[in-house]
Amino acid sequence: GQQLNQSPQSMFIQEGEDVSMNCTSSSIFNTWLWYKQDPGEGPVLLIALYKAGELTSNGRLTAQFGITRKDSFLNISASIPSDVGIYFCAVFTGNQFYFGTGTSLTVIP
Amino acid sequence: DAGVTQSPTHLIKTRGQHVTLRCSPISGHKSVSWYQQVLGQGPQFIFQYYEKEERGRGNFPDRFSARQFPNYSSELNVNALLLGDSALYLCASSLVLGPYTDTQYFGPGTRLTVL
Repeated sequence: GQQLNQSPQSMFIQEGEDVSMNCTSSSIFNTWLWYKQDPGEGPVLLIALYKAGELTSNGRLTAQFGITRKDSFLNISASIPSDVGIYFCAVFTGNQFYFGTGTSLTVIP
Repeated sequence: DAGVTQSPTHLIKTRGQHVTLRCSPISGHKSVSWYQQVLGQGPQFIFQYYEKEERGRGNFPDRFSARQFPNYSSELNVNALLLGDSALYLCASSLVLGPYTDTQYFGPGTRLTVL
């Protein structure tokens, strides 16, 4: 299967700080997605990226589709306690989705 | 509107048993996908069904099977359970096949424990 490497694996930040995480692959993909998963729930789609170089925002979240089509970045500005959770990147190959290993975010009030 | 629903919420089985997990997609959605999420990892794709036909299959053994019914609900069956099958099983529904004009919405999952 496809390997999506996310970094960092976990983050502990103060409320109000900005957050950056990324996702890399050895293969090229044409669709990159970012999900957030809260404990006991299924992942929720945050941002979908369909074009290399694309920069897309959703409120305080901004994601970019890397020019090489082998990576993507997610930034969260001015973090708040409800940003706590696990963030997954995912790609779509045409008939299935592959998910990354996840970045666990803890926000300290 | 109701989101994706899954049943049961939790399940405990013993090795060698069989299990059936159920999923009801969002009303109007015709595609259902199943994922296995082992603790500490991202979801792993198992199957995708669209209009009652299998459209995608992940790297899982033949002990795993699924089907989609005329009302677009779906079942995931796992035979001869192994300890390693313990995981959160997620169902996701989408309006059409592929991500371009829609997104997939996940249910809360079924937590399967194999003893």
